[in-house]
Amino acid sequence: KQEVTQIPAALSVPEGENLVLNCSFTDSAIYNLQWFRQDPGKGLTSLLLIQSSQREQTSGRLNASLDKSSGRSTLYIAASQPGDSATYLCAVPTSGTYKYIFGTGTRLKVLA
Amino acid sequence: DTAVSQTPKYLVTQMGNDKSIKCEQNLGHDTMYWYKQDSKKFLKIMFSYNNKELIINETVPNRFSPKSPDKAHLNLHINSLELGDSAVYFCASSQLAGSGANVLTFGAGSRLTVL
Repeated sequence: KQEVTQIPAALSVPEGENLVLNCSFTDSAIYNLQWFRQDPGKGLTSLLLIQSSQREQTSGRLNASLDKSSGRSTLYIAASQPGDSATYLCAVPTSGTYKYIFGTGTRLKVLA
Repeated sequence: DTAVSQTPKYLVTQMGNDKSIKCEQNLGHDTMYWYKQDSKKFLKIMFSYNNKELIINETVPNRFSPKSPDKAHLNLHINSLELGDSAVYFCASSQLAGSGANVLTFGAGSRLTVL
């Protein structure tokens, strides 16, 4: 059974800092991992998808890495801005299914 | 044009009532999902349809019944609403389900409050 954990649960940083969000999962037989952002009262926005054959993906100031063997992914945010404040969720499918299991998220606040 | 749209956005109703939430996607995706986000913000899958066929049916009370009239629409009907059904319900869709390139696209959510 796939279980997904995200640490820290909450993070507050001053503007301009580089930061790392962590996601760990128990079943490494995955075909991809996705990172999402959720703003308060809104839906989820896909940030990055890493396929199982890839080690990392980059989009602007975001970089996500994947280490399947250790069951970990990290989301690196460079030069954080107040507009980055949101909850960040990672999701992985249960082995052999379409069923994505979500972590409980990291609530990020970037202070101006 | 909204890619995945849900209606209504807010729904307040009394215990025991029956209500429906509708979802439509204009992305041409084959797979659609319903997720429930509880008060602790935990997101859990409920159902998934692939080209109108039910492929995921989690342990959900049978008061919840999904219906997919075509691959662009997935509706959720809830009978005999209970207080514990209060949550935000998200619809999502994806192409290439089961492949490494499968990206989930979410709707804005429907907040259901049962009084």
